[in-house]
Amino acid sequence: GQNIDQPTEMTATEGAIVQINCTYQTSGFNGLFWYQQHAGEAPTFLSYNVLDGLEEKGRFSSFLSRSKGYSYLLLKELQMKDSASYLCAVRDSNYQLIWGAGTKLIIKP
Amino acid sequence: IAGITQAPTSQILAAGRRMTLRCTQDMRHNAMYWYRQDLGLGLRLIHYSNTAGTTGKGEVPDGYSVSRANTDDFPLTLASAVPSQTSVYFCASSDSSGANVLTFGAGSRLTVL
Repeated sequence: GQNIDQPTEMTATEGAIVQINCTYQTSGFNGLFWYQQHAGEAPTFLSYNVLDGLEEKGRFSSFLSRSKGYSYLLLKELQMKDSASYLCAVRDSNYQLIWGAGTKLIIKP
Repeated sequence: IAGITQAPTSQILAAGRRMTLRCTQDMRHNAMYWYRQDLGLGLRLIHYSNTAGTTGKGEVPDGYSVSRANTDDFPLTLASAVPSQTSVYFCASSDSSGANVLTFGAGSRLTVL
């Protein structure tokens, strides 16, 4: 079966750095996405990786290793507004998105 | 403001009743999707439409139907609601270029009693 694994919950301190990991086992691979979802709101797009390596976008970076079935989202200079759930999703060989259950990130002052 | 509009925002429904969740987008995206989100689970695809006039089944289609009469609208119908359909429903759309990033509506919270 297809599976996306990410930690259920993480806690970090304002101003610090946090890394949210995502491992996947899917039928084929056609890209990996990270979305941010604040409580009670819709998911919003953060990043997309299709090739190995690091994609940087401001305070957020996303890394992909296709051979290891692994990605991480790195958040720097954490702000209270970064408290949210972070969803990892992989597009499989049928171009269907497989979603992880999300990682709830709690930021403490 | 360009985006996706869903209605209703929330609804409490008696089991056995029929319910239609509405979804409208103004971005002229070809593809549209309906997902449900339940605590502890990833988003699960119910139905999708790659273009107006076509629809397809996702991972959890039973008990739901959709139609795509035009580019903008993609309603989701529960013919006879059951308590297991209590969930938050998200409509999404994507264009056909590049990464096919999804844009989501604000969600419809449905409670079936």
